[in-house]
Amino acid sequence: SQQGEEDPQALSIQEGENATMNCSYKTSINNLQWYRQNSGRGLVHLILIRSNEREKHSGRLRVTLDTSKKSSSLLITASRAADTASYFCATDESGGSNYKLTFGKGTLLTVNP
Amino acid sequence: GAGVSQSPRYKVTKRGQDVALRCDPISGHVSLYWYRQALGQGPEFLTYFNYEAQQDKSGLPNDRFSAERPEGSISTLTIQRTEQRDSAMYRCASSFRNRANTGELFFGEGSRLTVL
Repeated sequence: SQQGEEDPQALSIQEGENATMNCSYKTSINNLQWYRQNSGRGLVHLILIRSNEREKHSGRLRVTLDTSKKSSSLLITASRAADTASYFCATDESGGSNYKLTFGKGTLLTVNP
Repeated sequence: GAGVSQSPRYKVTKRGQDVALRCDPISGHVSLYWYRQALGQGPEFLTYFNYEAQQDKSGLPNDRFSAERPEGSISTLTIQRTEQRDSAMYRCASSFRNRANTGELFFGEGSRLTVL
């Protein structure tokens, strides 16, 4: 089963614009991660935010986490055509199988040049 | 190599045949995972190894699926008597963390299985 649900399922923007993707999950977590997947390739880790953190930055990426709403957002600023990919959030349950990441269905981002 | 290596990259087989998919994790990584990913979906957990011990196989769909990691390094996912519904991308990932807390996973390029 998949715990996370990304929203929107697909997003198309122009180069230079910002892209925001959201993720909702169901259980208490230790941390939440975002991964990127280029078409036909493996998943690449982008950023990890712990359950006691509210916001984290990495380059053009900004992640927020609201544990009370069980939701997270990924913001990509000043997007580039190379950012075109699917983006997945992944969570690990606190108190349970905390070695296991559960992925959402992903958001397909298209950045048009 | 520096990354997680999976083989074969593509496997086409006839229904009823057995297949073995191999994963060579990053050297020194304690944890190894198998996931399955359908088109347009996120990866779904199959099984997890901590060193050579299979700690969790709750995601394996049925008893036709099995996995091993006998020496705590290379792992093999075996599917017996394949069915068309087994067609998917099978992804292996490794991590240097143990079960204390899940860190970043490093994924391989995957093995795409097509069952005719």
